[in-house]
Amino acid sequence: AQSVTQLGSHVSVSEGALVLLRCNYSSSVPPYLFWYVQYPNQGLQLLLKYTTGATLVKGINGFEAEFKKSETSFHLTKPSAHMSDAAEYFCAVKPGYSSASKIIFGSGTRLSIRP
Amino acid sequence: GAVVSQHPSRVICKSGTSVKIECRSLDFQATTMFWYRQFPKQSLMLMATSNEGSKATYEQGVEKDKFLINHASLTLSTLTVTSAHPEDSSFYICSASEYTSGINEQFFGPGTRLTVL
Repeated sequence: AQSVTQLGSHVSVSEGALVLLRCNYSSSVPPYLFWYVQYPNQGLQLLLKYTTGATLVKGINGFEAEFKKSETSFHLTKPSAHMSDAAEYFCAVKPGYSSASKIIFGSGTRLSIRP
Repeated sequence: GAVVSQHPSRVICKSGTSVKIECRSLDFQATTMFWYRQFPKQSLMLMATSNEGSKATYEQGVEKDKFLINHASLTLSTLTVTSAHPEDSSFYICSASEYTSGINEQFFGPGTRLTVL
């Protein structure tokens, strides 16, 4: 069975500080991994995704994530937090290749930015 | 990237009425669409997988007679909440699957906020 664990339901950092949101997964097949961001009362926006190839993935808004197979992790980072980064972040894993395979979401991490 | 729309974005209805939510893929054809439900401060819960021209596949615990899903075309899926009650109040999000960049990627709609009085 596949699962996603996000460590920390709430993370607070100062503006300009490093952002680190943790995600660990379990998957019986090579996974596709995603990070989504959700602003209040909005849908999900894809930040970045890992499919194959380079394990360091760069996304939008200065975010990046590194796929570490040995650690089954896909942590999200940003060198310098901005006030506009305050939102809910979801890590997700897609264990299959077909259009019908389900994305499994983590429980989410709320990121707050202190002025 | 691919765009998915939902209509309405917000709906308030009386208990006992039915509400229909539309999910459209605007610039691509989606053989598979997904419907999620999200409670406040929680993650997305998959309700059902909808395939064009066939019956939807519901997740365990989701009442298929309560949440009717129709995927009549490659660009439109609808979710009808029948005889809505206050406990059905939630944020409903759809997604549509498109083969892009070597994988079947899901693109999410903006969500529909349902409030049942």
